[in-house]
Amino acid sequence: DTGVSQDPRHKITKRGQNVTFRCDPISEHNRLYWYRQTLGQGPEFLTYFQNEAQLEKSRLLSDRFSAERPKGSFSTLEIQRTEQGDSAMYLCASSLGPGGDSPLHFGNGTRLTVT
Amino acid sequence: EDQVTQSPEALRLQEGESSSLNCSYTVSGLRGLFWYRQDPGKGPEFLFTLYSAGEEKEKERLKATLTKKESFLHITAPKPEDSATYLCAVGVSGSARQLTFGSGTQLTVLP
Repeated sequence: DTGVSQDPRHKITKRGQNVTFRCDPISEHNRLYWYRQTLGQGPEFLTYFQNEAQLEKSRLLSDRFSAERPKGSFSTLEIQRTEQGDSAMYLCASSLGPGGDSPLHFGNGTRLTVT
Repeated sequence: EDQVTQSPEALRLQEGESSSLNCSYTVSGLRGLFWYRQDPGKGPEFLFTLYSAGEEKEKERLKATLTKKESFLHITAPKPEDSATYLCAVGVSGSARQLTFGSGTQLTVLP
């Protein structure tokens, strides 16, 4: 079963360091999403790609966050100058159709801890 | 602003004790309502999509229903392996690229 895969599963970093996460979506899905989830809360939308184009970004996505999806395949999410408030689970999802109509299929996330 | 509220926050049931989880929503133009299951340390796992009031979907011990203002996830004769957090999410017109999630209901089924 080739679902959405994310790497690494866990990342511990010191405040001020940069981190990068990778997501490989389901191969036939051209839509890719990044969400952030903190303890006891539902996932919050960060950004959305259709193929290689980044079409939507949340107000939550500060200038320290950048995402790419070169060639419309895998995606990376980079956080620069990490802060303790960035500690969360970062989830990647992909879908075949528009996210409002089609289910999103999630990976198991990258747990980020900023010390 | 679109809002999704789930209740209760937590629910403990004895094995075999049926119950329902609630998801109420206030959105401008619902495109779809989605239910997910999330186990600790894992990503949400898709369960159901509902598109219009009156629609129902079933899978094993779970049944999801939808009205114009809320959705219910009915759990019949639950087993300990049904223990998880259940999330609902909505897709709305004008923002068809993303889902807005509720905070979830943490379900514990005791043997």
